[in-house]
Amino acid sequence: AQSVTQLGSHVSVSEGALVLLRCNYSSSVPPYLFWYVQYPNQGLQLLLKYTTGATLVKGINGFEAEFKKSETSFHLTKPSAHMSDAAEYFCAVSDDGSQGNLIFGKGTKLSVKP
Amino acid sequence: EPEVTQTPSHQVTQMGQEVILRCVPISNHLYFYWYRQILGQKVEFLVSFYNNEISEKSEIFDDQFSVERPDGSNFTLKIRSTKLEDSAMYFCASCQGWDEAFFGQGTRLTVV
Repeated sequence: AQSVTQLGSHVSVSEGALVLLRCNYSSSVPPYLFWYVQYPNQGLQLLLKYTTGATLVKGINGFEAEFKKSETSFHLTKPSAHMSDAAEYFCAVSDDGSQGNLIFGKGTKLSVKP
Repeated sequence: EPEVTQTPSHQVTQMGQEVILRCVPISNHLYFYWYRQILGQKVEFLVSFYNNEISEKSEIFDDQFSVERPDGSNFTLKIRSTKLEDSAMYFCASCQGWDEAFFGQGTRLTVV
């Protein structure tokens, strides 16, 4: 069965610092991997996704993630945090070829300090 | 930009009452989903719907839940007899099938 583990329910960084949000997954088949962001009182917005091809994927707002099959990881990074990045981030996996049937991690709340 | 819309944004209901959560998916999408997020917990898949029938459902989606696409635009989730533990944020999502899912802003259901 698929599962997603996000290390750290809460991550705090200073403005301008590197953002690193960790995600590990388990899947018996090549997965589709996603990062979604949820701003306060809003829905889930897709940041980026990996389906096939290049393992380093770039998303919106300067975020990127790298699919590492050997480590079963899909960590999300951003070189320089902005105050507006404060939100909750969810990693998700799909292994049935559908991009709608998703298994989500528990989420990581990112705080950005001035 | 097309978006998935959900109404109401917040619903308060008494235990045992029926509730219907409404969603308007993006118009050319073919696959529809409901997810829920209990406060402080992960987002959980409930059900997927395609071609006017349920294509997959989770263990959470028991007999008290039902989904319907009553017309060409709405997609509803009905909870027949609400329980306290049904209190959660419910998200609707839709996709074309070959692209990513788009989520609505959610309906916060509070059962008292």
